[in-house]
Amino acid sequence: SQTIHQWPATLVQPVGSPLSLECTVEGTSNPNLYWYRQAAGRGLQLLFYSVGIGQISSEVPQNLSASRPQDRQFILSSKKLLLSDSGFYLCAWRGQDGELFFGEGSRLTVL
Amino acid sequence: GESVGLHLPTLSVQEGDNSIINCAYSNSASDYFIWYKQESGKGPQFIIDIRSNMDKRQGQRVTVLLNKTVKHLSLQIAATQPGDSAVYFCAENGGTSYGKLTFGQGTILTVHP
Repeated sequence: SQTIHQWPATLVQPVGSPLSLECTVEGTSNPNLYWYRQAAGRGLQLLFYSVGIGQISSEVPQNLSASRPQDRQFILSSKKLLLSDSGFYLCAWRGQDGELFFGEGSRLTVL
Repeated sequence: GESVGLHLPTLSVQEGDNSIINCAYSNSASDYFIWYKQESGKGPQFIIDIRSNMDKRQGQRVTVLLNKTVKHLSLQIAATQPGDSAVYFCAENGGTSYGKLTFGQGTILTVHP
C-alpha cells in the first residue's frame, strides 16, 4: 500500500534562517506530488506541484522553492525564512482518480 | 475569482444525530469533488468523492450529494459519533488534469456525547 512521510513534524526557526522540509512516498511510482500550505484556521493553498523528477510548477510567487531530486522525494526549501512563512505544510500525492492523499504535515513557526 | 466556500463555519450536534455539511462552488468547469476530514494537528484525510456525472454517492455512514444546477455539494454523516469531530473541507478540481484541488474554508463539526 502507498504511504507518505513528512519530516520534521515540527520546526521552530528564526527569521532569515534556511528551511528544508522533506516528503517521501512509498508504494507508487512516478506519482504527481504537491506541497500545500495551511494558515491557522484556513483552507489549503497549493504552493507547488511536480509531475516528475526535476519538474516543478509554482502556483504562487513566494519566498519558497521546491525540488524533486528523486521520483519519490519532494523537498520544500527556503534560503531565508520570513515571519509570513509560518504555517502547516502538507505534502500530498495524487491517486488514480485525482484524489490527493496527504501526509501528516510539518508545522513551521518562524520567530 | 473562482472559489469554493462553505455556508456554515461551525456545526454542533449530539451523538447519534445526523450531520449535514454544505459547500458551494462557483467554478462550472469542476467535474470532480472531494470531502476531507482533518483532525487537529493532522493532515486531511480523504472521506469520499464524487464526479459530476453523478448526483449522489454513498460510503460507510457518509453520503455526498451534488447539485450541479445550483453548484452545491453536501456531506451527510449518519449517526454522528464523537470521533467525527473535526474540520471538514470540500475540494474541487476546477476541471484541471494535473490534480490541483481548490479547498473551501472548512466547517468545524463538534459532536457532543
